Amino acid sequence: GAGVSQTPSNKVTEKGKYVELRCDPISGHTALYWYRQSLGQGPEFLIYFQGTGAADDSGLPNDRFFAVRPEGSVSTLKIQRTERGDSAVYLCASSVPTGELFFGEGSRLTVL
Amino acid sequence: SQELEQSPQSLIVQEGKNLTINCTSSKTLYGLYWYKQKYGEGLIFLMMLQKGGEEKSHEKITAKLDEKKQQSSLHITASQPSHAGIYLCGAGLVKDSGGYQKVTFGTGTKLQVIP
Repeated sequence: GAGVSQTPSNKVTEKGKYVELRCDPISGHTALYWYRQSLGQGPEFLIYFQGTGAADDSGLPNDRFFAVRPEGSVSTLKIQRTERGDSAVYLCASSVPTGELFFGEGSRLTVL
Repeated sequence: SQELEQSPQSLIVQEGKNLTINCTSSKTLYGLYWYKQKYGEGLIFLMMLQKGGEEKSHEKITAKLDEKKQQSSLHITASQPSHAGIYLCGAGLVKDSGGYQKVTFGTGTKLQVIP
């Protein structure tokens, strides 16, 4: 597809479980961003990749959250020992340098 | 504290009225973005501003970035029910050779347009 693809679109898990969320950016986009959005709030910055490296991970809330982008394309956001407070929509966006951010439809995570 | 402040937080206007939404930061704004989001849906790109003093328009929506690049405004002329939604400003607070780092977003402005 031509847009940013995120999988799964919905994930329900139990507290304490491990979760992986995947983002497939637009081909050729070197910049990739992860955000978390709770109801009624704006997207909260988590991490920014330029190529394969995490240029800024200052938004990751704690060490249970980790993201990788090993080949500079697909990225995976990993959450260990999930907590109920992690429930949110996780958004991924990609762009060319200094260009428009193209967003995926998001992965809705529900932790029971 | 929020790095990008949006005001107002919510707005209810009569159809046909004009309105303005503001986005303010204490830091220089690089790559200022405006997006619209409907409840439960994805973000729709509206406009991007990069230069101080820049102004762009699309249909009845105009966005400006002030000269000092610390504030942007979004103005809607003759509002319609289709303009209803949540308006989000986003900005890169750091710029390097790779682009805009840490593009952060404001908390959003919820707009309702009454027919």
